[in-house]
Amino acid sequence: EAGVAQSPRYKIIEKRQSVAFWCNPISGHATLYWYQQILGQGPKLLIQFQNNGVVDDSQLPKDRFSAERLKGVDSTLKIQPAKLEDSAVYLCASSLVRGGGFFGPGTRLTVL
Amino acid sequence: AQSVAQPEDQVNVAEGNPLTVKCTYSVSGNPYLFWYVQYPNRGLQFLLKYITGDNLVKGSYGFEAEFNKSQTSFHLKKPSALVSDSALYFCAVRDMGPAGGFKTIFGAGTRLFVKA
Repeated sequence: EAGVAQSPRYKIIEKRQSVAFWCNPISGHATLYWYQQILGQGPKLLIQFQNNGVVDDSQLPKDRFSAERLKGVDSTLKIQPAKLEDSAVYLCASSLVRGGGFFGPGTRLTVL
Repeated sequence: AQSVAQPEDQVNVAEGNPLTVKCTYSVSGNPYLFWYVQYPNRGLQFLLKYITGDNLVKGSYGFEAEFNKSQTSFHLKKPSALVSDSALYFCAVRDMGPAGGFKTIFGAGTRLFVKA
């Protein structure tokens, strides 16, 4: 089966610019996650969707980050405006409720 | 509050020797527990999970993990390490209790280094 798709794979922007990431989960997976992984750290959950509803966004910096999941399938994560500390790999994952998460390849963001 | 801890930043083991990567957790309800591996410049790969049933769970690449409810631990093990097992390993917990909201939390990771 096809895995989780993410684009772009790499992005370099200057601080205060905006950026958007896209994720297409595995077909049939109702749960979708966005994680931020800073170099040398474990993934930090930013937001979790169940279908197109938000289950948890307690660690999402809502003043600059936003996410949506259109029709319970694809999802976009946006940062506006970006800060230097946002440099990280942004991982999208999807799962069934009882299953392990399947991760996409990630988007490596560099903010200059 | 839901949490997961990996007490060792790095584990060093000689090839052919058994390895253990430690993980402890804290949840309010019944836990779902996972191990993932991350190779350099690669995405996270699922290794194994515990939901219910036998405390010893077998996963990919010869890895297994032992769930210990009394010690709230889920240590990853392999009887004989390979150099190719060298990678970053993450433990994760999903709290299935009503207050947990099915959120999956990751540990900080343990780097495994297997020497030939």
